[in-house]
Amino acid sequence: GQSLEQPSEVTAVEGAIVQINCTYQTSGFNGLFWYQQHAGEAPTFLSYNVLDGLEEKGRFSSFLSRSKGYSYLLLKELQMKDSASYLCAAADRGSTLGRLYFGRGTQLTVWP
Amino acid sequence: DSGVTQTPKHLITATGQRVTLRCSPRSGDLSVYWYQQSLDQGLQFLIQYYNGEERAKGNILERFSAQQFPDLHSELNLSSLELGDSALYFCASSVEGGGLTGELFFGEGSRLTVL
Repeated sequence: GQSLEQPSEVTAVEGAIVQINCTYQTSGFNGLFWYQQHAGEAPTFLSYNVLDGLEEKGRFSSFLSRSKGYSYLLLKELQMKDSASYLCAAADRGSTLGRLYFGRGTQLTVWP
Repeated sequence: DSGVTQTPKHLITATGQRVTLRCSPRSGDLSVYWYQQSLDQGLQFLIQYYNGEERAKGNILERFSAQQFPDLHSELNLSSLELGDSALYFCASSVEGGGLTGELFFGEGSRLTVL
């Protein structure tokens, strides 16, 4: 099985940079995902890391260290619309990539 | 708009009853996944179907069942409902194997309230 831990909430101001951490313990591992979920809405895909290192995609970057069981999502130039819950999720080795184990989510609040 | 359609959006029913949630995947996606999101458990994988066949099973109760039809739409059946089954039920779809990124496309969800 999988166990993922992330902080329950983070706050930051508009224009700032924020990092959301995720640690995981797995019996097998096939990649780490980040999803964004606005209140009452569907989760939307942000990133997928299967190898160590940093993946940059516009204002969002995601980092993975498999040896440390650690990932983070970095959000730059924060905007009010970035206020949402950010979910990290892991896929099992040998399992379909759609079978994901999600963390409880980190609620990001961006203040003006 | 993810392209995944779920109905109904909201459903209120009583304990002991049975409901059916419906999902139409994105055009071309053969895999359908069901997830349950509740306040105390977070987002949990229930079951996956691929081209009509069950592919993977998660924390799905025996009172729950699902199927995928030849036109690829899927239904999640919840029976003998309990208060604790109140949750947001998401359907998601993907290309086979999740494609290059493993991205799942989620529907807007069906919010079930059991009274």
